[in-house]
Amino acid sequence: DGGITQSPKYLFRKEGQNVTLSCEQNLNHDAMYWYRQDPGQGLRLIYYSQIVNDFQKGDIAEGYSVSREKKESFPLTVTSAQKNPTAFYLCASSKGSGEYTEAFFGQGTRLTVV
Amino acid sequence: GQSLEQPSEVTAVEGAIVQINCTYQTSGFYGLSWYQQHDGGAPTFLSYNALDGLEETGRFSSFLSRSDSYGYLLLQELQMKDSASYFCAVRVFRGSNYQLIWGAGTKLIIKP
Repeated sequence: DGGITQSPKYLFRKEGQNVTLSCEQNLNHDAMYWYRQDPGQGLRLIYYSQIVNDFQKGDIAEGYSVSREKKESFPLTVTSAQKNPTAFYLCASSKGSGEYTEAFFGQGTRLTVV
Repeated sequence: GQSLEQPSEVTAVEGAIVQINCTYQTSGFYGLSWYQQHDGGAPTFLSYNALDGLEETGRFSSFLSRSDSYGYLLLQELQMKDSASYFCAVRVFRGSNYQLIWGAGTKLIIKP
């Protein structure tokens, strides 16, 4: 079955640590996205990538980094520079930037700073 | 700036009809999407309106008025499983790419 997979589902980070969230898709989608969701709020775009080896900052990129070395994979690193990282992180993919197509989401990673 | 407004919470009765409104202020507007998200889960796509008018998909319908910067999601014959948060999201062109700008979501509570 095609889909988009995030791991881990739950992640705990100590102060000052970098952590990496995994996102893999087998839908052959060109575009991939990382969103952050805080309680009672909508999704805010962290980074997105329309093609391999290229990515763009979203609205809240500070303290985060990404890579897109393969079409299927778009990992997100939450660095120690992100002062308030506790949130629900969602990865999504879509066919591309042309005619609109729906975004498919992974099940999310809930990150907690301890 | 870009903003979307939708009610934070709506309550309805099982079997009834409910309408969730979304108003937006954006530049570079291309269309309005609706997504459903159950607690702790992933958002799933419901509909997309690029043109004015009503789009119907089973029990769900979505409406757009570009001149009023307004849309709504209509849910009919409500079932308990429809209890979820519903997000409107506008598709805009920013820089050199299309993006989705999301509303804060409407929590739909359904009572028996």
